[in-house]
Amino acid sequence: DSGVTQTPKHLITATGQRVTLRCSPRSGDLSVYWYQQSLDQGLQFLIQYYNGEERAKGNILERFSAQQFPDLHSELNLSSLELGDSALYFCASSSREFSYEQYFGPGTRLTVT
Amino acid sequence: EDKVVQSPLSLVVHEGDTVTLNCSYEVTNFRSLLWYKQEKKAPTFLFMLTSSGIEKKSGRLSSILDKKELFSILNITATQTGDSAIYLCAVDGNNRLAFGKGNQVVVIP
Repeated sequence: DSGVTQTPKHLITATGQRVTLRCSPRSGDLSVYWYQQSLDQGLQFLIQYYNGEERAKGNILERFSAQQFPDLHSELNLSSLELGDSALYFCASSSREFSYEQYFGPGTRLTVT
Repeated sequence: EDKVVQSPLSLVVHEGDTVTLNCSYEVTNFRSLLWYKQEKKAPTFLFMLTSSGIEKKSGRLSSILDKKELFSILNITATQTGDSAIYLCAVDGNNRLAFGKGNQVVVIP
């Protein structure tokens, strides 16, 4: 158990809908990273927050947005969902602004039907 | 765009065999290369390599980096069924991790 929690574990929704994925980092960690893992694309970095501020952006679609709250938990919002958004979404955390030593949560499996 | 390519994509071995996994990369501002193990859940960190030619070891796993030829190798000796997993290679460049698609290893008794 990495200490990073993610909810929900599984999510099934229809195309065109909007969902929110939630992540709580390890106690004391200020950085939160979001990743998307699909069979064809592998694990892809989406976005990073550090102490409430956006720090780095990867291959995140405009339909997706994220934020980190004062209590350091983070939410990833996915809107106008398409079938291709079906994937495993991981959150990771680290103590420093950027660290290779990222601790991954168990992931949220999103299925868009 | 950063690029990480792993090979083979998938392999099946018998317990006791040795496995060699390859990771090649193209990245600007290279800082380090990392290996993760992913079983059914989240990736867990194995190694970080920053210098060429220095082998990192952890039990039956070892890894080495060649910064001139831009690749890394992960070796698993005397494989066990618990080694069955996807092994992910990631490269740290520009303060973000770029991952390969993984090497799926299946160890059969």
